[in-house]
Amino acid sequence: AQSVTQPDIHITVSEGASLELRCNYSYGATPYLFWYVQSPGQGLQLLLKYFSGDTLVQGIKGFEAEFKRSQSSFNLRKPSVHWSDAAEYFCAADTGGFKTIFGAGTRLFVKA
Amino acid sequence: DTGVSQDPRHKITKRGQNVTFRCDPISEHNRLYWYRQTLGQGPEFLTYFQNEAQLEKSRLLSDRFSAERPKGSFSTLEIQRTEQGDSAMYLCASSFETSGNSYEQYFGPGTRLTVT
Repeated sequence: AQSVTQPDIHITVSEGASLELRCNYSYGATPYLFWYVQSPGQGLQLLLKYFSGDTLVQGIKGFEAEFKRSQSSFNLRKPSVHWSDAAEYFCAADTGGFKTIFGAGTRLFVKA
Repeated sequence: DTGVSQDPRHKITKRGQNVTFRCDPISEHNRLYWYRQTLGQGPEFLTYFQNEAQLEKSRLLSDRFSAERPKGSFSTLEIQRTEQGDSAMYLCASSFETSGNSYEQYFGPGTRLTVT
């Protein structure tokens, strides 16, 4: 069955430290891949997406993600975390149709 | 372009009552999606529309749920005879899809339903 797995329920990093959020997918073929961020009381905001081509994708707010076909992974990174990055992050995938499958999310805490 | 809007933002209802939520997508978007999100989980796909046609429904969408998009613009999601298990955040998203074009979904702020 198609699935998206985010192994870390929550992560705590210090402000200014680097961040990596993990995402693995299970699909028959390489899906389209997305990272969204959700702040309390807010809808989901798209950070970045991968459809094809360059495996390192740049997004908004200084985030990037790397697609690794051999590992079925699409990990999100940021070199220096700001306190305002504290939120829930969702990895998602679909096959270009309509049914987007989301991971369970990783909650990021940022400590001063 | 004011983004995707949803109304109401919060709804508290008693078990057995009917509720209806509204979603206004971005005006030029031809696709509209409904998702449900429970605490500690990612959004789960419920259904989607291409213009006014409802093209797919998840098995999560029981007979008590119905969605419409009568003129290919706004959409409503109705839940009849609500149950406590229906308590969740209901998210709407829209996108512009044409043949051969990549797309992204824009999400609204959601409607939080609490069934007591």
